[in-house]
Amino acid sequence: KAGVTQTPRYLIKTRGQQVTLSCSPISGHRSVSWYQQTPGQGLQFLFEYFSETQRNKGNFPGRFSGRQFSNSRSEMNVSTLELGDSALYLCASSLEQAYNEQFFGPGTRLTVL
Amino acid sequence: AQSVTQPDIHITVSEGASLELRCNYSYGATPYLFWYVQSPGQGLQLLLKYFSGDTLVQGIKGFEAEFKRSQSSFNLRKPSVHWSDAAEYFCAVAPIGGNKLVFGAGTILRVKS
Repeated sequence: KAGVTQTPRYLIKTRGQQVTLSCSPISGHRSVSWYQQTPGQGLQFLFEYFSETQRNKGNFPGRFSGRQFSNSRSEMNVSTLELGDSALYLCASSLEQAYNEQFFGPGTRLTVL
Repeated sequence: AQSVTQPDIHITVSEGASLELRCNYSYGATPYLFWYVQSPGQGLQLLLKYFSGDTLVQGIKGFEAEFKRSQSSFNLRKPSVHWSDAAEYFCAVAPIGGNKLVFGAGTILRVKS
């Protein structure tokens, strides 16, 4: 079974631009969560989508948004990029069951110049 | 608010020596508990998880962890470390029925030969 895939793996943007990251979950997984990883703040939860609906949201500004499609693939968008948005963005997928085991993708490394 | 503390930022052990990584959590009720490992430039891989039942859980790669409710701890152990275990280890909690993982700051493990 293929794992979680994220595209692109690396991105370089400049301040003020916007960016879209993509995540394809494991086949059959309906929940997709996004996390931001930085050296200063560590791993922080961004949001979770299930059945095309945002089910949980972390404490990030409105510049961070996401969506999920009917095939469970998810995208996250960051508008008006700031230098502090440079991070590894990780996507995780899981089945809809009580055990919440999440499987992580390799991440997208975003650098904002 | 829930939080996870990993008191050791770096740990260095000799190959073949035993390992214990500490994790304490603060949560209103016993959450789901996880240990993940991350190699440089990679996503997170689940080592083991605790949901309920036996407080000593076995994971992959020879790791085990013990849940101690009285101490709000979930320490990770391995009897004999291999050079390939060098990585960063994250303890995480999630509320029962929820997919929002809260991570500790991580412990970087170095293995010396």
